[in-house]
Amino acid sequence: GDSVTQTEGQVALSEEDFLTIHCNYSASGYPALFWYVQYPGEGPQFLFRASRDKEKGSSRGFEATYDKGTTSFHLRKASVQESDSAVYYCALGEHSNNRIFFGDGTQLVVKP
Amino acid sequence: EAAVTQSPRSKVAVTGGKVTLSCHQTNNHDYMYWYRQDTGHGLRLIHYSYVADSTEKGDIPDGYKASRPSQENFSLILELASLSQTAVYFCASRTGFEQYFGPGTRLTVL
Repeated sequence: GDSVTQTEGQVALSEEDFLTIHCNYSASGYPALFWYVQYPGEGPQFLFRASRDKEKGSSRGFEATYDKGTTSFHLRKASVQESDSAVYYCALGEHSNNRIFFGDGTQLVVKP
Repeated sequence: EAAVTQSPRSKVAVTGGKVTLSCHQTNNHDYMYWYRQDTGHGLRLIHYSYVADSTEKGDIPDGYKASRPSQENFSLILELASLSQTAVYFCASRTGFEQYFGPGTRLTVL
């Protein structure tokens, strides 16, 4: 079945560090891929999506590129800020399915 | 003006009691979902619905029932609450592939 794997459970960085959160997926078809962000005390919120191979999604300085060859959609940001501290979820969805599959989430902690 | 609202925002229930969590959306979306969030487990799908008066089981439906009396409202019912159901519960509505989440309900079962 469809699934999403996030390698890191937690990432700890200092401000202005470079961020990478790894996301790999498994799907029977050609899924759309997403990143969601959840700030403390809130529900997850949509960050951005990509729908086809080599497409780059981006928002708020975060970006990820859809790679069908390596089945990956890694989240990157060049310079993190303390306000980026949150949980980040990678997810996928297929038109043939009524649901979206989420990874387990990665807790990002950014120290000033 | 929040599009997905949940009530209550927090609740303490006794073991064996009945709990109803409510969700209301003003997005006019057909799809609605209930998730459970536990530390270390991310978001797990309990039930979902794509039309009023119909619900579908998700990945962890045991111990939960769902009700969708209208397009706007979607409830999660715990008939006999148990300690293991202590968690944060999120409701969401969906358009295309984008889900809109409510603020969550923190449920503590004692």
